[in-house]
Amino acid sequence: DTAVSQTPKYLVTQMGNDKSIKCEQNLGHDTMYWYKQDSKKFLKIMFSYNNKELIINETVPNRFSPKSPDKAHLNLHINSLELGDSAVYFCASSQGLAGVYEQYFGPGTRLTVT
Amino acid sequence: GENVEQHPSTLSVQEGDSAVIKCTYSDSASNYFPWYKQELGKRPQLIIDIRSNVGEKKDQRIAVTLNKTAKHFSLHITETQPEDSAVYFCAASMRRDDKIIFGKGTRLHILP
Repeated sequence: DTAVSQTPKYLVTQMGNDKSIKCEQNLGHDTMYWYKQDSKKFLKIMFSYNNKELIINETVPNRFSPKSPDKAHLNLHINSLELGDSAVYFCASSQGLAGVYEQYFGPGTRLTVT
Repeated sequence: GENVEQHPSTLSVQEGDSAVIKCTYSDSASNYFPWYKQELGKRPQLIIDIRSNVGEKKDQRIAVTLNKTAKHFSLHITETQPEDSAVYFCAASMRRDDKIIFGKGTRLHILP
């Protein structure tokens, strides 16, 4: 009965590689998000999607490309990985606007770029 | 855009004492203020939230206060317990926006 799930939980890869992280929610929510949490624990929004449409793109390098095949899934593809991409990436979902409804976070994906 | 400042960055309190974490926000249009708790290696989880039409909200040992004029809000935890040790994030959002802006977090240590 997992609400928001992410795969993989850990991802270790070399600079220059391309990788994807997958997210699924079974809450029936309309809105999904990607956050990046750096080593200092700072949580910063990257993208939000509402019913498969991109709503927010927070000045993220275009090496990061989100894709939402349906409103229950939001995947994150990263091209040409750099050392600075190492972080924990959290997917989240909410019933609607972030300013109105609680956000439910996934367990996170720890990405390490060597 | 909105900016949220959070203090202190680290807080140590004796078990049983109270803990207070303070946040300020910059955009007077912000009207939703959630607090998230993140235990080590876990996901952030909502513990309490407050909206701009309310000055205070309580849930057992946790309370949040909001001063709209001064644009600051605080989290109060009373009778702290070891399981309260975690990183706490304040956040602010506007109804018209689809994003919440997080503070930088406070690492709370409960000392035995």
